[in-house]
Amino acid sequence: NAGVTQTPKFQVLKTGQSMTLQCAQDMNHEYMSWYRQDPGMGLRLIHYSVGAGITDQGEVPNGYNVSRSTTEDFPLRLLSAAPSQTSVYFCASSYGSRGSTYEQYFGPGTRLTVT
Amino acid sequence: RKEVEQDPGPFNVPEGATVAFNCTYSNSASQSFFWYRQDCRKEPKLLMSVYSSGNEDGRFTAQLNRASQYISLLIRDSKLSDSATYLCVVNRNTGNQFYFGTGTSLTVIP
Repeated sequence: NAGVTQTPKFQVLKTGQSMTLQCAQDMNHEYMSWYRQDPGMGLRLIHYSVGAGITDQGEVPNGYNVSRSTTEDFPLRLLSAAPSQTSVYFCASSYGSRGSTYEQYFGPGTRLTVT
Repeated sequence: RKEVEQDPGPFNVPEGATVAFNCTYSNSASQSFFWYRQDCRKEPKLLMSVYSSGNEDGRFTAQLNRASQYISLLIRDSKLSDSATYLCVVNRNTGNQFYFGTGTSLTVIP
């Protein structure tokens, strides 16, 4: 199993550009999430999904869109990049069911710089 | 108030030392608790889940105090390979929302 994969590993964007960060998992996990990690802030939840066709906002959703058309894929789209979106982005997946929570598996991250 | 708070450290300890980290959480509805380890420029990985009765995994012991809303991690006989950032994580079991502390940095010195 590849686990959780993310592409690209590094990306530099200019202000105003858009792009999509890819995330895929091959563990048949229902739950998937996107986080950003900034110095001194910890990981903050951007968007999450509890299954194909279902997404919801996390703590810091502004400027990002997601979709979940399949169980395996959960892309994150930056609509119009801003310097404040310079960060490390992690995708994570886990088993899940109501009332139970299981460990999250993280992808290797995407390091994004917006100039 | 932050959902999860940790002392950022850094903790610099000699090999063989015992070190303890604490973490507090603000929401009494939190149901699941974890410690993750993150190496420099890498993704977080689960170190251990934290159960109400406390649990041990080799040199690592985790404790939960629901009344005071804090979680602890004890590392005995520290190894150089324990050097990392340790993240405290809580979940309310109401969905997929995990809340992360900012992490505590540990460096084990030869």
